[in-house]
Amino acid sequence: DGGITQSPKYLFRKEGQNVTLSCEQNLNHDAMYWYRQDPGQGLRLIYYSQIVNDFQKGDIAEGYSVSREKKESFPLTVTSAQKNPTAFYLCASSDRGLGAYEQYFGPGTRLTVT
Amino acid sequence: KQEVTQIPAALSVPEGENLVLNCSFTDSAIYNLQWFRQDPGKGLTSLLLIQSSQREQTSGRLNASLDKSSGRSTLYIAASQPGDSATYLCAAQETSGSRLTFGEGTQLTVNP
Repeated sequence: DGGITQSPKYLFRKEGQNVTLSCEQNLNHDAMYWYRQDPGQGLRLIYYSQIVNDFQKGDIAEGYSVSREKKESFPLTVTSAQKNPTAFYLCASSDRGLGAYEQYFGPGTRLTVT
Repeated sequence: KQEVTQIPAALSVPEGENLVLNCSFTDSAIYNLQWFRQDPGKGLTSLLLIQSSQREQTSGRLNASLDKSSGRSTLYIAASQPGDSATYLCAAQETSGSRLTFGEGTQLTVNP
């Protein structure tokens, strides 16, 4: 089955700890994205990558870091510098080659920091 | 900076009713407009994508229209069913073909 997987589904961490969220896709898409969703709000872009070994900050990159060493993987690290990390995190990918850039989303990871 | 607004924030209708969800955006220089569905605690499912050169797209009981000049898109759902209950999000893609800017969504409840 082709798609985007995110793990784990639920993640609990203590304040002050860094945590890494996994995102893997087998769609052979060039571009990958990380979004954050808070209750009752739309999605906000954290980071995106249009090609391996390259990525750009989105609207709310402070306190987050990413890497793109492989086409199929785009892990997100939530650092202790992120002031309010509890949220629902969504990963997405799109195929630049098709031109339409339709984005496909993973199932999400709900992070709770106490 | 692109801003996307969805009205209403919540909508409750009886089963069988036809309904329209609205999406407006401030910068008409978009690459495409995408509509998504989100069930509680789940990821997003793409429903329809309208490229900037198109005026509408249809999939089953769903029809989405795009009017770039007025900065508006609508999602029409025909003969609504309880299974249509979900949050519907629209997102405008910038001309570089990468970033999406999302609205806050419309939470739809279809009552049996």
